[in-house]
Order: sequence, then structure tokens, then C-alpha cells
Amino acid sequence: AQTVTQSQPEMSVQEAETVTLSCTYDTSESNYYLFWYKQPPSRQMILVIRQEAYKQQNATENRFSVNFQKAAKSFSLKISDSQLGDTAMYFCAFMKRRYLNTDKLIFGTGTRLQVFP
Amino acid sequence: DGGITQSPKYLFRKEGQNVTLSCEQNLNHDAMYWYRQDPGQGLRLIYYSQIVNDFQKGDIAEGYSVSREKKESFPLTVTSAQKNPTAFYLCASSILLGQQNEKLFFGSGTQLSVL
Repeated sequence: AQTVTQSQPEMSVQEAETVTLSCTYDTSESNYYLFWYKQPPSRQMILVIRQEAYKQQNATENRFSVNFQKAAKSFSLKISDSQLGDTAMYFCAFMKRRYLNTDKLIFGTGTRLQVFP
Repeated sequence: DGGITQSPKYLFRKEGQNVTLSCEQNLNHDAMYWYRQDPGQGLRLIYYSQIVNDFQKGDIAEGYSVSREKKESFPLTVTSAQKNPTAFYLCASSILLGQQNEKLFFGSGTQLSVL
């Protein structure tokens, strides 16, 4: 069974600074996807970034980037130039890749990020 | 606009009562999911469905039931057998894998509380 671990329950960062959120996972699968979702106080789940395991290049989306280390089963999220609107709960998630089928998303327990002015 | 609609936003259940949470999507997605979120915790999978008239149990299916009679709809019933139903419930959907854009889209959630 797959598991996702987020070892930092809470993090804080000052506005304009950089912060890194950690995530590790355990799987015997070779083809899978990894995600970071953001959940602001509205509780709407918002996709931040997505990584395909077969791609060596780390995904980036504007101020958000990941450090994907497949051998170490590590998938950290770096937020550059932090903004007040980045304050939210961040969830790391794993999905097996299946051909012509879909699979469930397995979530970590989340990291609460507070951005201070 | 395409999206996932969950209703109601807030729901209250009396002891021994069954309640149904609605989830509708107009994204033409094949797969739909129900997750439960308890305060300060991650999301746990209740049920998921990959095609119409078929669904699978997730990690915490006891006390819940679902149906998938239409591609667009995946209602969740919280039965009286669920002894601790107070939680935030999130519905999600996704396209079939193999289309190079696999990810889950989420609704805005339903907060269920026990009276």
C-alpha cells in the first residue's frame, strides 16, 4: 500500500522569503504522479503543481517548484517570494498511473503554512 | 463554466437519520471520488467510481453508501450506521488516465454536523 508522509505539521515564513515543504512517500510502483494541493481558509482544494514520475525534470509553476528525488522517494515544494495569499494548508498526494483507467489520490496529513507580513 | 457542484454547503443530521450529500460535475469526467476531512487532518477516501454503475470502497467506507447512475452525478449517503459523521466532505472528479492531464478537480465541500 502507498503512504504519504508530511513531517512538518506547521511552518511559517515572512513575506517575500522562500520556504520549502517536505513530503516523502512509500510505493513499489514505478509509474505514478505526485501532487501538491493547497487548501486556503475557504477549504477549496486547489492544485498547485503536478509531477510525473517518469519525468526527471522538476515541475515548476510560477513561484512554485518541486524537488523530486525518485530514488529517495522525496517530493518537496519550494515557494519563492512568499505572499500573504499563500497562507493555507498544503497537502502532498500520490496517484498510481494506470493505462486507460484512473486511480485514487492518497494524501498526506498536511502542512499548515503561515505567511507573515 | 465547467466544474463540480456540491450541495448543500452545510448539513445537519439528527441521531438515527440518513442524509445524502449531492455531487454533480459537468466536466465530462469518468471518475468521481468522495473524501472525508476531519479537523487538522488530511483527506481520507470513502468511495470512488471509475464508470457508471460501478464503484469501489475506499479506506473508510463503513457507514456510507453511494450510487453512480449517471456520469455527472455521484451522491453520498451518510447512514445511521456512521457513528461519527461530523466532518467536511469533499467530492472530486478526474478524466481517464492516459490523456496526459491526470489530476483531480474538487468541489467546494459540504460540512456535515450532528445535532
